[in-house]
Amino acid sequence: SQKIEQNSEALNIQEGKTATLTCNYTNYSPAYLQWYRQDPGRGPVFLLLIRENEKEKRKERLKVTFDTTLKQSLFHITASQPADSATYLCALDNDMRFGAGTRLTVKP
Amino acid sequence: NAGVTQTPKFRVLKTGQSMTLLCAQDMNHEYMYWYRQDPGMGLRLIHYSVGEGTTAKGEVPDGYNVSRLKKQNFLLGLESAAPSQTSVYFCASSPLVEQYFGPGTRLTVT
Repeated sequence: SQKIEQNSEALNIQEGKTATLTCNYTNYSPAYLQWYRQDPGRGPVFLLLIRENEKEKRKERLKVTFDTTLKQSLFHITASQPADSATYLCALDNDMRFGAGTRLTVKP
Repeated sequence: NAGVTQTPKFRVLKTGQSMTLLCAQDMNHEYMYWYRQDPGMGLRLIHYSVGEGTTAKGEVPDGYNVSRLKKQNFLLGLESAAPSQTSVYFCASSPLVEQYFGPGTRLTVT
C-alpha cells in the first residue's frame, strides 16, 4: 500500500539558517506533490505544488524539489525566521494522503 | 469572503449519541473533503465529494456518513459516536488541486 513519511517529527534550527524538511513516499507515482503549513489550533494552509516533470519550484524564501527516482521531495526555507515555526505537511496529489508532518521551531 | 467555515467549533458527545458537522464554502469550489487529525497520525481522509450530489469514501470512512445536497455545503454525520471518533475534524474545499481548509471542529466522545 502507499506510504508517505516525513523524516522527523521535530526540527529545531537557529534563525537565519536554512531549514530542510524531507518527504518520502513508497508504492506510488504521484503526478504532483503539495506542501502545507499548519499552525497550532488551525487548519493547514497551502504553500506550494510541484509536478512530476518539475525538478524545483520556488516561492519567495521557499523552495521545493521533487526527485521521482528517489521518491522524495525536499522543502527548504531559507533565511528562516521565528515566524516560520509551524508544522509542515506534504501530501500526494489528489489521492490526498498526508504525511504526519514535521514540527519546525526556529529559535531567535 | 469567509472561505471555509465549520460548525460547531467544539463538541462533547456521549457514546452512542449522534451529531452532524457542517462545512460551508463560498468559493464555488467543486471538490470538498472531510479529514480527521489525530496526534502522530496526520490528516486522514474520511469522505470526499467531486460535485453537488456526489460522495465517495476515503481512507477511514467507517462510522461516518456524508451528504452534499448543495454545492456550498458538505455535511459529516456520526450516527452512533464512539470514543475512537474523538479527534479534530477538518473540512476542505478545492477548485481542482490545492485545498483550502476550515478552522476545524474538536470532538470529544466520552
